[in-house]
Amino acid sequence: AQSVAQPEDQVNVAEGNPLTVKCTYSVSGNPYLFWYVQYPNRGLQFLLKYITGDNLVKGSYGFEAEFNKSQTSFHLKKPSALVSDSALYFCAVRDGRGTYKYIFGTGTRLKVLA
Amino acid sequence: NAGVMQNPRHLVRRRGQEARLRCSPMKGHSHVYWYRQLPEEGLKFMVYLQKENIIDESGMPKERFSAEFPKEGPSILRIQQVVRGDSAAYFCASSPDGNIQYFGAGTRLSVL
Repeated sequence: AQSVAQPEDQVNVAEGNPLTVKCTYSVSGNPYLFWYVQYPNRGLQFLLKYITGDNLVKGSYGFEAEFNKSQTSFHLKKPSALVSDSALYFCAVRDGRGTYKYIFGTGTRLKVLA
Repeated sequence: NAGVMQNPRHLVRRRGQEARLRCSPMKGHSHVYWYRQLPEEGLKFMVYLQKENIIDESGMPKERFSAEFPKEGPSILRIQQVVRGDSAAYFCASSPDGNIQYFGAGTRLSVL
């Protein structure tokens, strides 16, 4: 069965500092991994994905994520946080064997302090 | 290309009434997903459809809930005889290929 864990409900970081939002996953086959961001009263917006290829994936708004197969992790990172990055971040996974069912994590609220 | 359109944005129903939530996918997208989000929780998968077909409905309650994606027109999530526990935000997403999903702004259902 697929599962995703986002161990931190909230992450606080000072503006200009690097940020990391953690995600670990479990799938039977090859993982397709995604990060989405949600602003208040809005739908989710796609940030980046890993399906195959380089383990370091670059996405929108300066975000990147590293796929680590041995640790089954896909942590979201950004070298320098902005106040406008404050939002709810979701990690999602699907099993690449063919099912299109996605499992989302419970979300991590990122708060960037000025 | 307009984004994913969901309507209504807010829906209030009394217990026992029916709720119909509509989702118009982006042009050219044949994959539609429905999710439910409770306050301070993640998205829970409900159902995945391709044109005229339900592919995976494993996340949808067996009773009172149904979904369709007809050849013409929007996808519909229908909840019959609503109960207070159905109050939530319901999000629709569409995709051209089943990978990147584009989300609508959601429908917030309140059951009185």
